Amino acid sequence: GAVVSQHPSWVICKSGTSVKIECRSLDFQATTMFWYRQFPKQSLMLMATSNEGSKATYEQGVEKDKFLINHASLTLSTLTVTSAHPEDSSFYICSARSAFGSNQPQHFGDGTRLSIL
Amino acid sequence: QKEVEQNSGPLSVPEGAIASLNCTYSDRGSQSFFWYRQYSGKSPELIMSIYSNGDKEDGRFTAQLNKASQYVSLLIRDSQPSDSATYLCAVNVAGGSNYKLTFGKGTLLTVNP
Repeated sequence: GAVVSQHPSWVICKSGTSVKIECRSLDFQATTMFWYRQFPKQSLMLMATSNEGSKATYEQGVEKDKFLINHASLTLSTLTVTSAHPEDSSFYICSARSAFGSNQPQHFGDGTRLSIL
Repeated sequence: QKEVEQNSGPLSVPEGAIASLNCTYSDRGSQSFFWYRQYSGKSPELIMSIYSNGDKEDGRFTAQLNKASQYVSLLIRDSQPSDSATYLCAVNVAGGSNYKLTFGKGTLLTVNP
């Protein structure tokens, strides 16, 4: 149980392109989903927290107009990297937490490796 | 600043030995604690959750929690080469209207055949 699916697994695109990443909880309802970014040999960095039907809460230093998050249902959240540039190249990982309570663990998707040329 | 501290390692143990991973946290109000395993180039995978003081065992893994000392540990018995990975300690902390995980920087474990 507690499977989170993330697509696509990897993206290579030109600078200036917008890229959408999907995160789905397959076998549970997730009122809260999280988006992380991880650079090589560094720890996970939380970008934003999204609650179903609400605007996302962004961490300090993360541009909300650059990283658009939509969480329209209990099983789907999307992250759109708008007008991506080479410095946006990173490993993006989503996670989802069960609706049963805030003490529940987060379950992670497989991540999306984004490379901007 | 709510922090989670781990020894970065690397921690190297022979196959079949016990690997001991440690973690301390600063937020005394934290109520839930997790260990994740992350293989190189992959996303984190939940290994253990622990909420109460004491030990919790699951197969070869034992998590230990001491809230008074603000200390969490993970023991891996009969370590296998496939256990070689980075182990992340994560503590659930209140942040505004949401609870979110604060991660340690991770301990790199290498199990030598």
